[in-house]
Amino acid sequence: EVQLVESGGGVVRPGGSRRLSCAASGFTFDDYGMSWVRQAPGKGLEWVSGINWNGGSTGYADSVKGRFTISRDNAKNSLYLQMNSLRADDTALYYCARGEMGGGMDVWGQGTTVTVSS
Amino acid sequence: DIQMTQSPSPLSASVGDRVTITCQASQDISIYLNWYQHKPGKAPKLLIYDASNLETGVPSRFSGSGSGTHFTFTISSLQPEDIATYYCQQYNNLPLTFGGGTKVEIK
Repeated sequence: EVQLVESGGGVVRPGGSRRLSCAASGFTFDDYGMSWVRQAPGKGLEWVSGINWNGGSTGYADSVKGRFTISRDNAKNSLYLQMNSLRADDTALYYCARGEMGGGMDVWGQGTTVTVSS
Repeated sequence: DIQMTQSPSPLSASVGDRVTITCQASQDISIYLNWYQHKPGKAPKLLIYDASNLETGVPSRFSGSGSGTHFTFTISSLQPEDIATYYCQQYNNLPLTFGGGTKVEIK
């Protein structure tokens, strides 16, 4: 079964850091680009970041550029999002999704929640 | 950044109705547009890619059309299980951007 499972969410103080992980299974991970998408409470979907199959190309939303870093470990079938200098408006449900930055995101995890609060 | 504007929201319709959602891009994005369905507590689901191609396994009552800056998404006969929020998303340019969403409700 094709599956993505996110982990690493929790409560973080403003200015703090958090690392999200996404474990992939059921497909050849290094055949696909991957993305992080978030949904703030009561808001719509927002693409956060994407990475190509080998990590050689990445992209970021303006709202997180310079603070968040996407990476992947193909040997571990895992995707990561390092989040630094967190702000209250980063509070959201963070989804991991399979899909190149140049296409559709066809497999999604159930998400992990990050709450930035003092 | 490319802005994606969806309308209407919300949308209230009866079971069996034909439902149409529009998505306007702030600049030409060719056919580089996807449509997603998002139900509360569930992961988003890709329905349509490249503006008009139905994702495998998606019922044929869903369809998409358009190119350039104007796109439409149609449910030919609304079913109770179609209650969800629908999003368009462009991938012509980075950053990828979503529309604000259209919440479809049963009248």
